[in-house]
Amino acid sequence: AQKVTQAQTEISVVEKEDVTLDCVYETRDTTYYLFWYKQPPSGELVFLIRRNSFDEQNEISGRYSWNFQKSTSSFNFTITASQVVDSAVYFCALSEAIKSSGDKLTFGTGTRLAVRP
Amino acid sequence: GAGVSQSPSNKVTEKGKDVELRCDPISGHTALYWYRQSLGQGLEFLIYFQGNSAPDKSGLPSDRFSAERTGGSVSTLTIQRTQQEDSAVYLCASSPGPITDTQYFGPGTRLTVL
Repeated sequence: AQKVTQAQTEISVVEKEDVTLDCVYETRDTTYYLFWYKQPPSGELVFLIRRNSFDEQNEISGRYSWNFQKSTSSFNFTITASQVVDSAVYFCALSEAIKSSGDKLTFGTGTRLAVRP
Repeated sequence: GAGVSQSPSNKVTEKGKDVELRCDPISGHTALYWYRQSLGQGLEFLIYFQGNSAPDKSGLPSDRFSAERTGGSVSTLTIQRTQQEDSAVYLCASSPGPITDTQYFGPGTRLTVL
């Protein structure tokens, strides 16, 4: 069965610091998808990125970057020059893309990020 | 365009009552998912719809939980004889297709069972 581990329960940083959120996953499948979602205090889950198992290229989007390493089953998320608006709970998730289950997501327990001014 | 909408946003009920939660997916999205977010269990999958059929109901916690989807659009999640442990935020998500598509989430329904 698949599993996603986010070992960091809470992180607190001062604005403008860089911060990395860790995600380690377990799956037996060779084809799978990894996701990051942000849940701000308003509660709605906001999609950030999707990465498939065949694409190990790192991705950068503005201040956000993601490091996918199959060798260590990790998909870490870095925020550069953090801002107060980045304060939220961040979830890493895994989908095994099985036809009968669609893109059923298995979520990690989330990392609460607090960015202090 | 409009995102996923859910109603009600909040529901308070007494133990033993039945409740219905509604999800309106993004227009044209064929795949629809229900998840539950609770303090003890985190975010967990409940059920997946492709069109009107539910190929995967494996996450429904008991037979008190059921869901249907009509016209390939609106879905309702029904909880019968609610228990206090059913208190949680129920999230709905939709995606354009069943595989390799990103899910977009609604704002959730916060259910409190007294």
